[in-house]
Amino acid sequence: QVQLQQWGAGLLKPSETLSLTCAVHGGSFNGHFCNWIRQSPGKGLEWIGEISHRGTTKYNTSLRSRVTISLDTSKGQLSLRLSSVTAADTAIYYCAIGRRPAGWYWSGWFDPWGQGSLVTVSS
Amino acid sequence: EIVMTQSPVTLSESPGGRATLSCRASQSISSNIAWYQQKPGQAPRLLIYDASTRATGIPARFSGSGSGTEFTLTISSLQSEDFAVYYCQQYSNWLRTFGQGTTVEIK
Repeated sequence: QVQLQQWGAGLLKPSETLSLTCAVHGGSFNGHFCNWIRQSPGKGLEWIGEISHRGTTKYNTSLRSRVTISLDTSKGQLSLRLSSVTAADTAIYYCAIGRRPAGWYWSGWFDPWGQGSLVTVSS
Repeated sequence: EIVMTQSPVTLSESPGGRATLSCRASQSISSNIAWYQQKPGQAPRLLIYDASTRATGIPARFSGSGSGTEFTLTISSLQSEDFAVYYCQQYSNWLRTFGQGTTVEIK
């Protein structure tokens, strides 16, 4: 059974860069789309972006200028970097495997999810 | 961006009762919708994809229906472990979006 485990700094100051990593256990990222999603009381669940096993990325237009998603398939690790954070970026961040309908260029539903990482931005 | 609107915000129902949750898309998404369950302190868990296909291990009391812009998640007989928050999510557009959630609480 594939499981995702994530980690990273939980407390940041405004203008710093958020950095999170997600590792896969019991499987691999090969052939899958790997996603980051965040959840906050104000905005609910928000899709951040995804990367294919070939390295093709898609980012939410609202975050595109600040976000970078990368994938190291040899290590089985997915990474998220979000620059110039503000209090509005305070949220629980999840990694998730995106399941792709046959013939699609982006993933559909998300399964499984990591356990979540609370990131707080405060001065 | 496709906006997903869920109703009601909160649903109060008794154990053993039937819960019907709705999700409306701001434009047609065919059957490209998934449903998730989330309990406090946990990540969302996939229940349904392609509007009506149950994910692996999901009990038969969970069912999904609909197409186009109107969708329903039905829990036929609520068990204690079903009281949680439920989200819909569309993937018809590459900019995937979620509904705001429906809380199913014990009446």
